Amino acid sequence: QSALTQPASVSGSPGQSITISCTGTSSDVGGYNYVSWYQQHPGKAPKLMIYDVSKRPSGVSNRFSGSKSGNTASLTISGLQAEDEADYYCSSYTSSSTYVFGTGTKVTVL
Amino acid sequence: QVQLQESGPGLVKPSQTLSLTCTVSGGSISSGSYYWSWIRQPAGKGLEWIGRIYTSGSTNYNPSLKSRVTISVDTSKNQFSLKLSSVTAADTAVYYCARGTQGAFDYWGQGTLVTVSS
Repeated sequence: QSALTQPASVSGSPGQSITISCTGTSSDVGGYNYVSWYQQHPGKAPKLMIYDVSKRPSGVSNRFSGSKSGNTASLTISGLQAEDEADYYCSSYTSSSTYVFGTGTKVTVL
Repeated sequence: QVQLQESGPGLVKPSQTLSLTCTVSGGSISSGSYYWSWIRQPAGKGLEWIGRIYTSGSTNYNPSLKSRVTISVDTSKNQFSLKLSSVTAADTAVYYCARGTQGAFDYWGQGTLVTVSS
């Protein structure tokens, strides 16, 4: 299974909105509403930010939102803050009953 | 609050078997419809899902690692384990254990670095 494709880096100024894409196939992203997004700060474990394409776990800021169209899922961070600077990974359940992660995106707050 | 903690040797020799255990606290590993996964991350690289186990014992593995991986569960100890055989330097990574639903991994351990070197 191939990793889902994400942009290597995305940047934005404080207060702006950014969107990270996550492209897969009809066997993963396009086939199931089981796309999730993780935030990872250096040296830390990943933290779940979005699950089931667009649901937010309790405690996650509503500045984070998710969506999907066809084989591409997206994570939008609105009102960008310095603390949002981190690596972000998408993940999808697959038709083989496995999981695949995205290549990862480094978000920089300018 | 569920917590997960990985444990095991930090150094493994090439061709040997890597063995890690994840201890779950704050809840029973048998309760709820959860899967228990292992995920790894080489230094400076992305996340790779290794495999998962349900408390019934059913497993799913990453096809690229399937021939070398075994995940097991011990409900009496509230633990699940990973064995990865015939390791090489390419298996050097931080290994995470995580609790999952069908759609996501909601609780993660802090991760443990395993280095493969002679």
